[in-house]
Amino acid sequence: DAKTTQPNSMESNEEEPVHLPCNHSTISGTDYIHWYRQLPSQGPEYVIHGLTSNVNNRMASLAIAEDRKSSTLILHRATLRDAAVYYCILSPVGSSNTGKLIFGQGTTLQVKP
Amino acid sequence: EAQVTQNPRYLITVTGKKLTVTCSQNMNHEYMSWYRQDPGLGLRQIYYSMNVEVTDKGDVPEGYKVSRKEKRNFPLILESPSPNQTSLYFCASSLRPRQSNTEAFFGQGTRLTVV
Repeated sequence: DAKTTQPNSMESNEEEPVHLPCNHSTISGTDYIHWYRQLPSQGPEYVIHGLTSNVNNRMASLAIAEDRKSSTLILHRATLRDAAVYYCILSPVGSSNTGKLIFGQGTTLQVKP
Repeated sequence: EAQVTQNPRYLITVTGKKLTVTCSQNMNHEYMSWYRQDPGLGLRQIYYSMNVEVTDKGDVPEGYKVSRKEKRNFPLILESPSPNQTSLYFCASSLRPRQSNTEAFFGQGTRLTVV
């Protein structure tokens, strides 16, 4: 399974943009890049995913490097509710257990008022 | 509302007393799985199910059983719980097990303590 590397923690100020990086240098051509987050005392929550092109949804944007060896989750205006652990996960196509998510340690995002 | 429901949310039990944690989803998802979350080890998959009557071991299946008799339900069974199964458990479901571009939905978690 391809691995991801994320910073252990990051800080942001409320209402400012946040860029959460993820390195995945061993990514294969058919790995999707998923982001989940886990708020305190809750289960993980889907944020966004992509394959090659940048993606936007109501929660965030995902910027994928041209060589796909890294990606960045962008929260456009951080709120206190965005304080969570953010996980960058690679999901391979065609494996026998494609639904499995391999969680790393993630990045703990602190948002200061 | 689309959701994955686990019960109970909290459970304290004694070593050896069989217990079942229930998981139900209302989204007609094919794929369901169980994870445990431990400090320093992150979330690890225990068992998964591709569809009704199709289950398989994840990364840490020892001491656990599952069944998938109906599409919506995926109970986790601890036949003889031990203290090392004290953990936070999450059930998850997703639509298509062989597609890696679908999102997973997680339950709220079950905090189990075995004394």
